[in-house]
Amino acid sequence: GAGVSQSPRYKVAKRGQDVALRCDPISGHVSLFWYQQALGQGPEFLTYFQNEAQLDKSGLPSDRFFAERPEGSVSTLKIQRTQQEDSAVYLCASSRDSTYEQYFGPGTRLTVT
Amino acid sequence: GNSVTQMEGPVTLSEEAFLTINCTYTATGYPSLFWYVQYPGEGLQLLLKATKADDKGSNKGFEATYRKETTSFHLEKGSVQVSDSAVYFCALRTNAGKSTFGDGTTLTVKP
Repeated sequence: GAGVSQSPRYKVAKRGQDVALRCDPISGHVSLFWYQQALGQGPEFLTYFQNEAQLDKSGLPSDRFFAERPEGSVSTLKIQRTQQEDSAVYLCASSRDSTYEQYFGPGTRLTVT
Repeated sequence: GNSVTQMEGPVTLSEEAFLTINCTYTATGYPSLFWYVQYPGEGLQLLLKATKADDKGSNKGFEATYRKETTSFHLEKGSVQVSDSAVYFCALRTNAGKSTFGDGTTLTVKP
């Protein structure tokens, strides 16, 4: 079957704009994770869903970041009033359950100008 | 909190050389340990894993052993190929599900 897909692959936003990043997990995967990867660094955890429930959002850097997964499948990460420091690759991963292997999508590269 | 420290790169080797990339971790509880690889232009892929102390993960000629006494999970390969050129990430995961990653080590293998 298809892997994790993310859209758009690239996004350029002017400072202050709102953006929405989409993640389509592998069908049937219960757990979904968002990570932020700055240039030259490893991915940093943002938030985690089990079905539609957001069980951990401890990694969200500010209240400008918001994630949802209303039907327990597709997830959207929204960033309001983007800042230059938000420029990064945003990775989505899904797994059968929280203890199983995580499969990563290709990421969305966000550049804030 | 949990953390992962990886050997700094970049690492440049000749084909057929021996590879070691060091990884140490700090974690509460008993994490699972992973190595991921990111080839140019591609997403993160799981390379190997180990879920408990003394387990050895292996795949595509790469190996790593979960050493609880030294809190390490070093990646090794006996003979690297040009196609192994990539960025390698060490990571740990607790029962909570979220993963903690190192900063990555860039490997370049020259023919």
